[in-house]
Amino acid sequence: KNQVEQSPQSLIILEGKNCTLQCNYTVSPFSNLRWYKQDTGRGPVSLTIMTFSENTKSNGRYTATLDADTKQSSLHITASQLSDSASYICVVSRTSNTNAGKSTFGDGTTLTVKP
Amino acid sequence: GAVVSQHPSRVICKSGTSVKIECRSLDFQATTMFWYRQFPKQSLMLMATSNEGSKATYEQGVEKDKFLINHASLTLSTLTVTSAHPEDSSFYICSASPPDRSVNEQFFGPGTRLTVL
Repeated sequence: KNQVEQSPQSLIILEGKNCTLQCNYTVSPFSNLRWYKQDTGRGPVSLTIMTFSENTKSNGRYTATLDADTKQSSLHITASQLSDSASYICVVSRTSNTNAGKSTFGDGTTLTVKP
Repeated sequence: GAVVSQHPSRVICKSGTSVKIECRSLDFQATTMFWYRQFPKQSLMLMATSNEGSKATYEQGVEKDKFLINHASLTLSTLTVTSAHPEDSSFYICSASPPDRSVNEQFFGPGTRLTVL
């Protein structure tokens, strides 16, 4: 069964601190993995997209890593800001998918950054 | 580029009425758009795939007669919730992929909050 599991479910950190979110998947055959940030009451916004050959990708203070062998990904947030408070969703697609919407979504990690 | 909009952002309706939600790709043409539903503290659940010029493809368990999808042009898809009931209250989100991007690089709309009284 194709699954995407994210941990932790929720996380509270102080402003300025770093944090790492985890994503483990069993989706196969693998095509790409995407991290999205979803603010409350808004649609998800893409942070990074990684294919099989990419190990790391950065987008400002966000750095995603991918280990396709162990089927694990992480999203590292550096020097957190209050505006980083959101849900972070990991999405994995299979190579057999011609339909992008049939990706497998994780349940998300809710991050709260406190002053 | 690659902006997807939705209208309205919020709607409150009485039980039994129908509600139409629009999804537009503002700066690209999309032959395919996707509709999701998201309940509080849960992830997005794909409801259906909207195909321009043809019938939508619905996921298992989604009633096609209740959630009518019309993809009349390359930039507009609409989702109509017919005879809405309180259990239809949810956050509805659409997405699309520009033709020059990876088929899996989706851009999401801002969502529509539906409340059925």
